Amino acid sequence: NAGVTQTPKFRILKIGQSMTLQCAQDMNHNYMYWYRQDPGMGLKLIYYSVGAGITDKGEVPNGYNVSRSTTEDFPLRLELAAPSQTSVYFCASSAGTATWSNQPQHFGDGTRLSIL
Amino acid sequence: GNSVTQMEGPVTLSEEAFLTINCTYTATGYPSLFWYVQYPGEGLQLLLKATKADDKGSNKGFEATYRKETTSFHLEKGSVQVSDSAVYFCALSDLRKTSYDKVIFGPGTSLSVIP
Repeated sequence: NAGVTQTPKFRILKIGQSMTLQCAQDMNHNYMYWYRQDPGMGLKLIYYSVGAGITDKGEVPNGYNVSRSTTEDFPLRLELAAPSQTSVYFCASSAGTATWSNQPQHFGDGTRLSIL
Repeated sequence: GNSVTQMEGPVTLSEEAFLTINCTYTATGYPSLFWYVQYPGEGLQLLLKATKADDKGSNKGFEATYRKETTSFHLEKGSVQVSDSAVYFCALSDLRKTSYDKVIFGPGTSLSVIP
C-alpha cells in the first residue's frame, strides 16, 4: 500500500550543486505533479505530467527540469542549486482531475531540501 | 486571477472545542472547492470537497459548505481531538485549465489541539 513514494526525505546541497528528487507511484495514475511548499505560502506547482512522455510547466518552473519515461516515475532535477530553492517538495499523482472526474490528488511525504 | 485566502494561524484549541477555519476565494466561473489536511511529517490528504454551490462536503466529523453568495468555504468541526492537530489547506480548482488538475492552495492554517 505504498501510494506515492518520495526519496530522499532530507537533503542539504551547496550552491551550484545538482540533484534529482525521485518520485514513484504504484497506483497506475496518469497525472503526476511536483509542488514546492514555502512557509506561509501554500503550494506552488512546478511541473506536471498527464502521461508517460508528456510534461509541461506549472507556475514556478524556472531552475527545474522533469522527465516522465514511465507511468510510475516522475523525477525532478535541480541543475544549479540556488538558496531560493530551499523548500519542501511534494510529488502528487491522480487518476484524473479532481474537477472533471472526481479524482483527488495523492501526495507523497515530501522532500525537505536546504541549499547553503 | 483566482486565489484563496485563509484565516491566519496558528489556532490553538482545547480538546472538544468547536473549530472554525475561515476560507474565502476569488474565482472565475464555478470552481470546485477542497480542504486538504497535512499531518506532521506527511504529505497533504484530501479531507473533503464540494463541486457546486450549496454542496456540503463532510468527512471525519469535519464539514464545509460551498457558499457562492459569500465566496466562502469555511471548515467546521463540532468537537476537536488532539489527533486533529495538523495544517489545513483550503483550495480550489481552476476551471480555466482543463488539461491538468490546476489546484490553487491557500497558505494553510496550523491547528494545535491541547488536552
